[in-house]
Amino acid sequence: AQRVTQPEKLLSVFKGAPVELKCNYSYSGSPELFWYVQYSRQRLQLLLRHISRESIKGFTADLNKGETSFHLKKPFAQEEDSAMYYCALNSGGSNYKLTFGKGTLLTVNP
Amino acid sequence: GAGVSQSPSNKVTEKGKDVELRCDPISGHTALYWYRQRLGQGLEFLIYFQGNSAPDKSGLPSDRFSAERTGESVSTLTIQRTQQEDSAVYLCASSLAAGAYEQYFGPGTRLTVT
Repeated sequence: AQRVTQPEKLLSVFKGAPVELKCNYSYSGSPELFWYVQYSRQRLQLLLRHISRESIKGFTADLNKGETSFHLKKPFAQEEDSAMYYCALNSGGSNYKLTFGKGTLLTVNP
Repeated sequence: GAGVSQSPSNKVTEKGKDVELRCDPISGHTALYWYRQRLGQGLEFLIYFQGNSAPDKSGLPSDRFSAERTGESVSTLTIQRTQQEDSAVYLCASSLAAGAYEQYFGPGTRLTVT
């Protein structure tokens, strides 16, 4: 069975500091990994996906198959980054569902 | 264009009553998903539709839960004989097709069973 673990429920950093939100997964095949974000009073939305290898809002995430991780990083956090972040896994191909972690609430302090 | 919409936004019901939750996906999206989020938990997959058919219903927690979709558009999630453990936010999402396409989420329906 596939599983996504986000070990930190809460993460607090100061503006301008680097931030890393951890995500580990359990899946024997080749998964597709995503980060979704939910800002206050807004709906859940896609932040980035590993296959696109993009940097969105300064965030990047690298899929490390050896460590089965997909950590989300940003070198200089901004106050507007404060939100709930969810890591999600799709087992690829025509698979239809996302398996989500429990989420990490990021607070960026001024 | 309009995003995914859900109604009602909030629903309070008494234990034992039936409830219907509605989802309007983005026009043209053939895949539609239902998730449940209990307090402090991640999103739990319930069911998905490709067109009007639901190939996999194994995520539904019990036979009190059912869902249908008509006209490759609106979907309703029905919970019969609600229990307090059904209290959660129910999220709907849609995507162009099933698979690893971006899922667009609705605002959710907060269900409270008293």
